[in-house]
Amino acid sequence: GNSVTQMEGPVTLSEEAFLTINCTYTATGYPSLFWYVQYPGEGLQLLLKATKADDKGSNKGFEATYRKETTSFHLEKGSVQVSDSAVYFCALTNDMRFGAGTRLTVKP
Amino acid sequence: DGGITQSPKYLFRKEGQNVTLSCEQNLNHDAMYWYRQDPGQGLRLIYYSQIVNDFQKGDIAEGYSVSREKKESFPLTVTSAQKNPTAFYLCASSRGTGANSYEQYFGPGTRLTVT
Repeated sequence: GNSVTQMEGPVTLSEEAFLTINCTYTATGYPSLFWYVQYPGEGLQLLLKATKADDKGSNKGFEATYRKETTSFHLEKGSVQVSDSAVYFCALTNDMRFGAGTRLTVKP
Repeated sequence: DGGITQSPKYLFRKEGQNVTLSCEQNLNHDAMYWYRQDPGQGLRLIYYSQIVNDFQKGDIAEGYSVSREKKESFPLTVTSAQKNPTAFYLCASSRGTGANSYEQYFGPGTRLTVT
């Protein structure tokens, strides 16, 4: 069946550091891929998405490219801020599958 | 403002009691979902509904029940049969299911504590 495997956390970075959170998937067909972010005590918010191979989703300085050949959708940001501290989820929404989440803490 | 509301934000119950969590959306979405999130864990799907008067079990439906009598509403009942009900419950909606680009919109969640 479909599944998402996400890099385990927690991840702790200093402000302005480069961020990568790995996500790989197993799926039949051609799913859309999503990254969601969850701030403490809140629900999830869509961060970015990609609907087909080689698409790049981007938002708020975050980027992820849909790589069909490696079945990956890694999240990157060039310079993280303290306000980026949150839990990040990779998802295959056409099958309602979410990764386990990666907690990011950014220190000033 | 369009969105999803869940109430209450915090809920406390005694063991052995059924409890119903509310979820309402005014986004005119056809599909609605319930997820459970345990500390440090990802989301696990409890139930989902693609259309009014229809719903399907997710991965962890045992001990839970739902109804979908109106498009806007998808209440979740946590029954006494659920062995470990204490968790954070998230409701979500989307334009549809199975299609490729329908992102989900989430409510703020209800934290249920059963003692």
